[in-house]
Formats: sequence, structure tokens, C-alpha cells
Amino acid sequence: DTAVSQTPKYLVTQMGNDKSIKCEQNLGHDTMYWYKQDSKKFLKIMFSYNNKELIINETVPNRFSPKSPDKAHLNLHINSLELGDSAVYFCASSGDGYSYEQYFGPGTRLTVT
Amino acid sequence: QKEVEQNSGPLSVPEGAIASLNCTYSDRGSQSFFWYRQYSGKSPELIMSIYSNGDKEDGRFTAQLNKASQYVSLLIRDSQPSDSATYLCAVNPPYSSASKIIFGSGTRLSIRP
Repeated sequence: DTAVSQTPKYLVTQMGNDKSIKCEQNLGHDTMYWYKQDSKKFLKIMFSYNNKELIINETVPNRFSPKSPDKAHLNLHINSLELGDSAVYFCASSGDGYSYEQYFGPGTRLTVT
Repeated sequence: QKEVEQNSGPLSVPEGAIASLNCTYSDRGSQSFFWYRQYSGKSPELIMSIYSNGDKEDGRFTAQLNKASQYVSLLIRDSQPSDSATYLCAVNPPYSSASKIIFGSGTRLSIRP
């Protein structure tokens, strides 16, 4: 069974559209994350939720809105897509405790044309 | 100064040799350190975590941490072609949520037969 899953794997859309990416984890973790990896492969955190509560909110345009219906799911909605939003978006999760080791989903490659 | 710095490489190592990957971080007081491996087109995969000064060994991998020098390294013994990947160093900075980790830009490792 896949521990952290994301859908869709690929997303191609036009500028100005609104799209959503979904993430689910079956590890029983309390904390989930969204990361963006750009064309230079730099991996940068965007948001984090702990038990449905937003705990990390980096400097991200407010066109990006995360939603966590329960602790096993974290979705990312993006409004008014721009060319610069093209990237790979990774979901991750971690358990509680000192280590906070994070486990990543397979990624969603978003291409905005 | 970047928070987490790595040499981008590529680092070319002959098969069977020891590959040494280095990482420095800027925030003194950081407590948690991670090494991830990322194959091209895939998601980051956790290899090692280390929290105390010294060495931590897991199979062919050894992580080394020196908090006084703000330096963490990863040694890969008996390098195999399958070790060819980008290796990401990640650090939990002291001023942030315990779950937040900052990634370096990665070192691309190539194992030549």
C-alpha cells in the first residue's frame, strides 16, 4: 500500500484556471506538508498542517489555499494559475515526537501554459 | 548566506569507492538533521536522520554530525551505480516549528562503473 499518495500525477492547464491537488496518507501521521520543487530542483516548504490546524504558512501567494478535512488528507487549491506556478508539488507527512522525519508522496507535475 | 549549503556537484565516484557528501548550515542550535535521496523524476526518500554529535551508521551509509562546526556529512561505502542520485541535506532550524525542515539545493552524485 502506498503510504503517501497524490492525485493527479500530472496536471497540464492554462493560465488563469483554478486547479486542485489531493494528498492522502495512511501512516497515521498527525502532520502533513506541501512542498514546491522548481526547475532548479530546489525544494521549498509551502504549508504544514497538524491535526487539521495550519502550523506553517510560508510566504506563498494567497492564490494558494490548503485545506485539511481530516488529519489523513491535505489538499492544495490554486486559483488563477500563472506560468511561474509550473513546478512539481510534493505532499509529505510526519509523525509526532522529536524526530519529525518526513515521508514524501510521488509528486504532482504541474505545467501551466 | 543560505541556511543549508551543499555543493551542487556533480560528484563523480568510481564504483566500490567511498562517496562523501557534505552540508553546512547557518543556524547554530539546529537539532535535527536529515539526508534524503532523490532519483531523477522521483520524490525525496529519507535515508538517514541524526540528532547527536558523532557518527550514525546504517548499512553502507554513515551520517556524521559536528554541531560546533555546523557541519553534517553522509558517507556511502562500496558505492554502487544505483546510488547515483541527488542527495538532499535538510535541517530543522531552532527558531521555527519543530516540524519545519529546510532543504539544501542538493548534491548530484554519479557512480561510474
